[in-house]
Amino acid sequence: NAGVMQNPRHLVRRRGQEARLRCSPMKGHSHVYWYRQLPEEGLKFMVYLQKENIIDESGMPKERFSAEFPKEGPSILRIQQVVRGDSAAYFCASSPLASGNEQFFGPGTRLTVL
Amino acid sequence: SQQGEEDPQALSIQEGENATMNCSYKTSINNLQWYRQNSGRGLVHLILIRSNEREKHSGRLRVTLDTSKKSSSLLITASRAADTASYFCATAGGNAGGTSYGKLTFGQGTILTVHP
Repeated sequence: NAGVMQNPRHLVRRRGQEARLRCSPMKGHSHVYWYRQLPEEGLKFMVYLQKENIIDESGMPKERFSAEFPKEGPSILRIQQVVRGDSAAYFCASSPLASGNEQFFGPGTRLTVL
Repeated sequence: SQQGEEDPQALSIQEGENATMNCSYKTSINNLQWYRQNSGRGLVHLILIRSNEREKHSGRLRVTLDTSKKSSSLLITASRAADTASYFCATAGGNAGGTSYGKLTFGQGTILTVHP
């Protein structure tokens, strides 16, 4: 059973470009969570999605950020018009149930904005 | 202070010694979890303790939870160089079925260095 997969692992964008981060949850997991980690800090919750639904987006910046988890395909975290402050590691996690139990994390996507 | 704060921020010990990390949190929780992160990698789940439990063991790991003090500790016994990593506590909300139920709130982490 493959773990949570994220791609790309590293992404470099210039200011003003768009960044698309992909996450494929573990097989059988229908709950996906996105977290952001700034250097030397812990992870900050961004958004929690189930298939085709956003359950909790309380951690998402109000502008430029969006997330989706379509019926088919990976979950996508989209950042429009990136700025240098968006440079961070973005982690996706999945779980089989919305139970607040163990979450399985992907290796992360490291976004660098030049 | 923020939900899920760990102390110390950094801990340096010799192989064979025990390492203790502490975590404090502010709101009610359903459970508290500890994760490990090796440099530049994703997080690995270590152990979960529920709000109605006081102590839990898993191999060389021992976790305690004191809900009256809103604090937890992680003890790693007989540490090894391979234990060198950042350790994070994370709390899961206490409102079953609520929107906060699934998300985890992480602390800032403790950087553990175990010298061979």
